[in-house]
Amino acid sequence: AQKITQTQPGMFVQEKEAVTLDCTYDTSDQSYGLFWYKQPSSGEMIFLIYQGSYDEQNATEGRYSLNFQKARKSANLVISASQLGDSAMYFCAMSLPSGAGSYQLTFGKGTKLSVIP
Amino acid sequence: DAGVIQSPRHEVTEMGQEVTLRCKPISGHNSLFWYRQTMMRGLELLIYFNNNVPIDDSGMPEDRFSAKMPNASFSTLKIQPSEPRDSAVYFCASSEPPRQGKFKLFFGSGTQLSVL
Repeated sequence: AQKITQTQPGMFVQEKEAVTLDCTYDTSDQSYGLFWYKQPSSGEMIFLIYQGSYDEQNATEGRYSLNFQKARKSANLVISASQLGDSAMYFCAMSLPSGAGSYQLTFGKGTKLSVIP
Repeated sequence: DAGVIQSPRHEVTEMGQEVTLRCKPISGHNSLFWYRQTMMRGLELLIYFNNNVPIDDSGMPEDRFSAKMPNASFSTLKIQPSEPRDSAVYFCASSEPPRQGKFKLFFGSGTQLSVL
């Protein structure tokens, strides 16, 4: 069964510094996608970034980048120049094709990031 | 676009009562997912639909849970009878057909369910 592991329950970072949130995954499939979502205290789930298993370059979206190391099965999220508004829960997720043209998304337990002024 | 719309935002009910959660996916999206979020278990996939057809309901915890998608613009998740351990945030999410294997899941605001 596919599995997503986020080993850091909580992280602290100084404002304006960079921070790396860890994520490892386990699958025997060759085709999959990796995602990061942000969940602020208000509760909504916000899509941040996506990396496909066949993408050769690391994905970037503004201050977010995904450090994809396929051999190590890791997909760490790097947030540069942290802002107070980055304080939230961050979830790593993996998608696998599930037949009928659909995909299934499995989430890790999350990392709570706190940005210190 | 209005995004994924869930109702109600909050639901408080007594044990044994029937609860119905509603979801309107984004227009044009052909996949719909129901997730449950708790502190202990995190985000769990309950069931998902593709083109209104249930694909995988293995995450539905018990027969007390049922989900329907009568058309492309509406889905319900029903719990009957409800129990205190069903208290959680229930998210609905939708996605459009994958393009070159890539897709993005859009979440609704969730329904906070409390069963007393």
